[in-house]
Amino acid sequence: EADIYQTPRYLVIGTGKKITLECSQTMGHDKMYWYQQDPGMELHLIHYSYGVNSTEKGDLSSESTVSRIRTEHFPLTLESARPSHTSQYLCASSIGGKTGELFFGEGSRLTVL
Amino acid sequence: SQQGEEDPQALSIQEGENATMNCSYKTSINNLQWYRQNSGRGLVHLILIRSNEREKHSGRLRVTLDTSKKSSSLLITASRAADTASYFCGTISGGSNYKLTFGKGTLLTVNP
Repeated sequence: EADIYQTPRYLVIGTGKKITLECSQTMGHDKMYWYQQDPGMELHLIHYSYGVNSTEKGDLSSESTVSRIRTEHFPLTLESARPSHTSQYLCASSIGGKTGELFFGEGSRLTVL
Repeated sequence: SQQGEEDPQALSIQEGENATMNCSYKTSINNLQWYRQNSGRGLVHLILIRSNEREKHSGRLRVTLDTSKKSSSLLITASRAADTASYFCGTISGGSNYKLTFGKGTLLTVNP
């Protein structure tokens, strides 16, 4: 069973609000990832981190930002939410290496009105 | 652009039948992984096949990999209603710095 947690699971907010989606893992994994999943199921990598103080943008451009101050914590922030940010956000972690499997959280479903 | 593409997009079968899903990718890979996602949940790792392997089994799952065709298939035998979920293939490319890229997924519905 994966020990990776996302909060909140569901969030409904108004346009212009600042939001932070939390992601924490207790497995000591160096690598962490944020994926955005659209209604058609397609998954897009938007941010990843190889370790503390390391963050990189993913394949899909996103207005969100991330930080990695502690190994276990990888929060995602939107400074000013818009309806176009409505989506499912999935956090994952891995031991890394070329054969590492990803462990996913349950996701945060964000709805911006 | 996405590395992997699953086919079909949706598949509906009866309980007890076999389900086959395919995945095609574009560039050379280190390994290919299959994941399952129940509705509204996170993804769960099912099986990994390395680029130098051709077939792998895990319980009712059978995965094949054809690197010459840049394709993989996932076979679920004797399907159950509980197998209803979306299935994704993910690839780690040689130069990707260990990023896992997913396809669009196949939605499998197993009818009791």
